[in-house]
Amino acid sequence: EADIYQTPRYLVIGTGKKITLECSQTMGHDKMYWYQQDPGMELHLIHYSYGVNSTEKGDLSSESTVSRIRTEHFPLTLESARPSHTSQYLCASSPKDQLYFGPGTRLTVT
Amino acid sequence: RKEVEQDPGPFNVPEGATVAFNCTYSNSASQSFFWYRQDCRKEPKLLMSVYSSGNEDGRFTAQLNRASQYISLLIRDSKLSDSATYLCVVRMNRDDKIIFGKGTRLHILP
Repeated sequence: EADIYQTPRYLVIGTGKKITLECSQTMGHDKMYWYQQDPGMELHLIHYSYGVNSTEKGDLSSESTVSRIRTEHFPLTLESARPSHTSQYLCASSPKDQLYFGPGTRLTVT
Repeated sequence: RKEVEQDPGPFNVPEGATVAFNCTYSNSASQSFFWYRQDCRKEPKLLMSVYSSGNEDGRFTAQLNRASQYISLLIRDSKLSDSATYLCVVRMNRDDKIIFGKGTRLHILP
């Protein structure tokens, strides 16, 4: 079982608020990823990191930002939430090939 | 052409039947191949890696055909609990990029 955690699991927040979605893993994996997924739809990569101080944007344009100051921690921040940000956000880490996913954060912006 | 293509389904299959999915990939530089399973409103989890020699895990068999650039998943004696979305995943050689297919939805009918 993977040790990768996301908080909060569910978040309902008003438009314009700043939010940070937390992701932590205790497996020492260098590679970490953020995916966005709407219900019944495909996964979209929005950010990834190959190690400390390394962050890259993924395939899907996103208004979010990420940081990687510590190996185990890869938070995602939205400076000003909008209803279009309503979605599920999945964090994953990888030692080499396999991805281990966290349980996800289901975000609703009202 | 999308880099990883899957038939989205849904496949509605009676319990006990055998079902097979294919997935095609466009880039011959692809390095590693996987099948993930995703239950409704849950995170994806690794079902099995796919090797050129083929591999089997209980009722599940995965095959890779590099010449034709497709991978397959066969489920024998299907159970109600096999109902899920099955994601084809390819990891690229050139940049270590991970690409998800859109997934194939499977419904096992009692």
